[in-house]
Amino acid sequence: EAQVTQNPRYLITVTGKKLTVTCSQNMNHEYMSWYRQDPGLGLRQIYYSMNVEVTDKGDVPEGYKVSRKEKRNFPLILESPSPNQTSLYFCASSYRSNTEAFFGQGTRLTVV
Amino acid sequence: GEDVEQSLFLSVREGDSSVINCTYTDSSSTYLYWYKQEPGAGLQLLTYIFSNMDMKQDQRLTVLLNKKDKHLSLRIADTQTGDSAIYFCAEMFSGGYNKLIFGAGTRLAVHP
Repeated sequence: EAQVTQNPRYLITVTGKKLTVTCSQNMNHEYMSWYRQDPGLGLRQIYYSMNVEVTDKGDVPEGYKVSRKEKRNFPLILESPSPNQTSLYFCASSYRSNTEAFFGQGTRLTVV
Repeated sequence: GEDVEQSLFLSVREGDSSVINCTYTDSSSTYLYWYKQEPGAGLQLLTYIFSNMDMKQDQRLTVLLNKKDKHLSLRIADTQTGDSAIYFCAEMFSGGYNKLIFGAGTRLAVHP
């Protein structure tokens, strides 16, 4: 089954404790993105990747890092999480930049 | 800059039609999308429309696009309680970056 898998689905952590949210897709897609969803704001792009070892900032990249060492994986790294990063995070992948994006189930992160 | 706007709430009676409206600003967008988010779930692509189309119908869903006014609508015929969800309008940013620009989402409540 074609899918985008994120882990964990839920995470509560403390300020400053490094964490990684994993994202994996099995569709051999080139493009992958991370979004965060906040009430009243919809989803905003954090980072995107056009292929292995090619990543770039989206609209709200501050406080986040990503890597793309393999085509299927695109982890989101929070080196020093802060409470304003409490949000619902979605990973997405697509075959090309302007084709249908497939979304993961989301990761609800709470930073206390 | 790019922006997508939609009303936040819509309440309809079961069996009636629902119409969710959206306006966007990027006149060069080639794809416009409707996503559905059920409580605790990820984003499900409902339908999309190419910018050179005026209308697209898919079973109970009808999408209308008015490019001149940059207005997109989603009509759900014979609305059911299972249609209760948040509906996001999104446009594919024409400048690349594999970026979808989302509205804040319309919460659809279906009552008996």
